[in-house]
Amino acid sequence: EVQLVESGGGLVQPGGSLRLSCAASGFTFSRYSMNWVRQAPGKGLEWVSYIYSGLTTMLYADSVKGRFTISRDNAKSTLSLQMDSLRAEDTAVYYCARVSSPYGDIDYWGPGTLVTVSS
Amino acid sequence: DIQMTQSPSSLSASVGDRVTITCRASQGITIELSWYQQKPGKAPKRLIYAASNLQSGVPSRFSGSGSGTDFTLTISTLQPEDFATYYCLQYARYPRTFGQGTRVDIK
Repeated sequence: EVQLVESGGGLVQPGGSLRLSCAASGFTFSRYSMNWVRQAPGKGLEWVSYIYSGLTTMLYADSVKGRFTISRDNAKSTLSLQMDSLRAEDTAVYYCARVSSPYGDIDYWGPGTLVTVSS
Repeated sequence: DIQMTQSPSSLSASVGDRVTITCRASQGITIELSWYQQKPGKAPKRLIYAASNLQSGVPSRFSGSGSGTDFTLTISTLQPEDFATYYCLQYARYPRTFGQGTRVDIK
């Protein structure tokens, strides 16, 4: 059974940093590309970042480019998102999401972790 | 970026009703569109991929159609467990973009 479990969310002050992690199990993690998707309270879904299975490509939404860094450790089946220079508008539930192969959409989601940016 | 315009933003329906939700892409995306259902406090769940393919385990009352720029999600006979918010996702290009969502609630 595919499982994705995020951790690392919490309350952080504006300008601060936070690192999210996603532990993957139930599939061969190294063979799948991954995304982070977020959802602000009461709002819709927003794609945040993508990393290729082989680590050669990372992509970011304009809203986070230069502030967030996606990474992965295929040996540990772990996806990460380093978030720096956080702003109030980054407050959201962050989902780890697997890229479907071969289609390219999202087939599995973690339950999400809440990040709150507030003073 | 590809913009996804989803409509309606909300609708009220009764159990047994037929419900149709549409998504329009700002440029052609062939059939690279998926539909998701999200219930409060839960992660989205994939219903349809490649515009019309039903995800394994999803009831057959859900169906998808369309190609190019215009897509439709249909629930043939609404059940109590279908009251939720639905999103479309285009995956033809990065950045991936979602529709704004359609909330389906009880009339």
